[in-house]
Amino acid sequence: GAVVSQHPSRVICKSGTSVKIECRSLDFQATTMFWYRQFPKQSLMLMATSNEGSKATYEQGVEKDKFLINHASLTLSTLTVTSAHPEDSSFYICSATLTGTDTQYFGPGTRLTVL
Amino acid sequence: GQQLNQSPQSMFIQEGEDVSMNCTSSSIFNTWLWYKQDPGEGPVLLIALYKAGELTSNGRLTAQFGITRKDSFLNISASIPSDVGIYFCAGQLPGNTPLVFGKGTRLSVIA
Repeated sequence: GAVVSQHPSRVICKSGTSVKIECRSLDFQATTMFWYRQFPKQSLMLMATSNEGSKATYEQGVEKDKFLINHASLTLSTLTVTSAHPEDSSFYICSATLTGTDTQYFGPGTRLTVL
Repeated sequence: GQQLNQSPQSMFIQEGEDVSMNCTSSSIFNTWLWYKQDPGEGPVLLIALYKAGELTSNGRLTAQFGITRKDSFLNISASIPSDVGIYFCAGQLPGNTPLVFGKGTRLSVIA
């Protein structure tokens, strides 16, 4: 149980285009989902906290107009990278918290490459 | 953002050897977690620690939550080739809060 999926697993796009990444909790409800970014050979850094039905909370230095987060249901959060540039190329990982607990389950990640 | 101090950064060991890695923080955490990440994958939870002084095992893995609540260690006994990967510690404050990660320990096992 407690499986989190991400789609797509890999995406390559041209500079200036927008890319949407989905994070789904498959067998549980998640009131809160977190989005992390991981650059090569580095650790996971929190980008934003996404709560179902409300606006996301962004970490300092993360542009909310560039990284649009929508958490419209208890099982789905989406991250849209708008007007992507090569420096946005990274591994994006979401985690979902089982409602009523503090336990986070991580998705498999999405590798974004912007040409 | 905040990060934990994790060491060592990398380790090269012979198969069968024991491994130890640790994390320290200037802040107190209520929960310490240890994850393993394989290339191109998300982190997988190995051990979760919820109480100061707690010592928990998961097969060949043992982790402890430091008494001061500012540190934790992970031991792997009798390493095998599939232990290769990056190990991350993470701390969590009370409640449904995001995790703060260490920089990772890259483990290589030589057969």
